[in-house]
Amino acid sequence: DIQMTQSPSSLSASVGDRVTITCRASQSISSYLNWYQQKPGKAPKLLIYAASSLQSGVPSRFSGSGSGTDFTLTISSLQPEDFATYYCQQSYSTLLFIFGPGTKVDIK
Amino acid sequence: EVQLVQSGAEVKKPGESLKISCKGSGYSFTSYWIGWVRQMPGKGLEWMGIIYPGDSDTRYSPSFQGQVTISADKSISTAYLQWSSLKASDTAMYYCARLKLVGAIAGYFDYWGQGTLVTVSS
Repeated sequence: DIQMTQSPSSLSASVGDRVTITCRASQSISSYLNWYQQKPGKAPKLLIYAASSLQSGVPSRFSGSGSGTDFTLTISSLQPEDFATYYCQQSYSTLLFIFGPGTKVDIK
Repeated sequence: EVQLVQSGAEVKKPGESLKISCKGSGYSFTSYWIGWVRQMPGKGLEWMGIIYPGDSDTRYSPSFQGQVTISADKSISTAYLQWSSLKASDTAMYYCARLKLVGAIAGYFDYWGQGTLVTVSS
C-alpha cells in the first residue's frame, strides 16, 4: 500500500509569510496528488488537484508542484483566512484515495 | 449549484445499528462516485470507501472493509453509510464528498457535505 507523509506536522507563521508544506509518497504516484484545506468545524475544501492545478475559485497565492514521490503546497503570502490544516491525498492507486496525516498552520 | 446535504447528528449506544445519508443535488447523481471520509475527534481525514450510484459499484478502504456498508438509492439521489453494530470507536464526524474522476481511476473530491457527527456512548 502507498503511504503518505507530510512535513512539518505543524508550523507557526505570520501574515505575509511564504509557507511551504511537503507531502511524500512511499512510491511514485506520478502527478496524482491533491491538496485540501480544512478549517475547524468545517468540511475540507479542495485547493489543488493533479499536483499543480488550481481548483476554480481558489486564490492564486496557493500553488502546488511536484511529481513522483515528492510534492509541495506553497502559500505565497499567508493571509488570516489561511490558518487551517492542510491535507494531501493520493489518487494513484486504482480508486483508492489515501490522505496524508495533515499539517496544521497556526499564527505565530 | 452542486450540493451534498447530510443527515443530522446521531447519538447511539454501543451495539446499535445506524444508517446516515448524503443527498446530492445540482448535478447528475448517477454519473459521479460518492465517497465517505471519517474524522475522529482531533484527528485527520481517513478515506472509507466510494460508491458509483449509477450501478452501485462500491470500493472500500482495506481499513473499513467489513466494518461499514456503503449503499445508494439513485431514485432519490442519496448515498448511505451504515453500521450494523456500533462501537465507541466509531465516534467521529463523517463526511460525504463527490469524486471528480481524472481518467478512469484517479480523481479528487470537489464537493463535500457538511458532515454528520456520530456519537456512540453507553
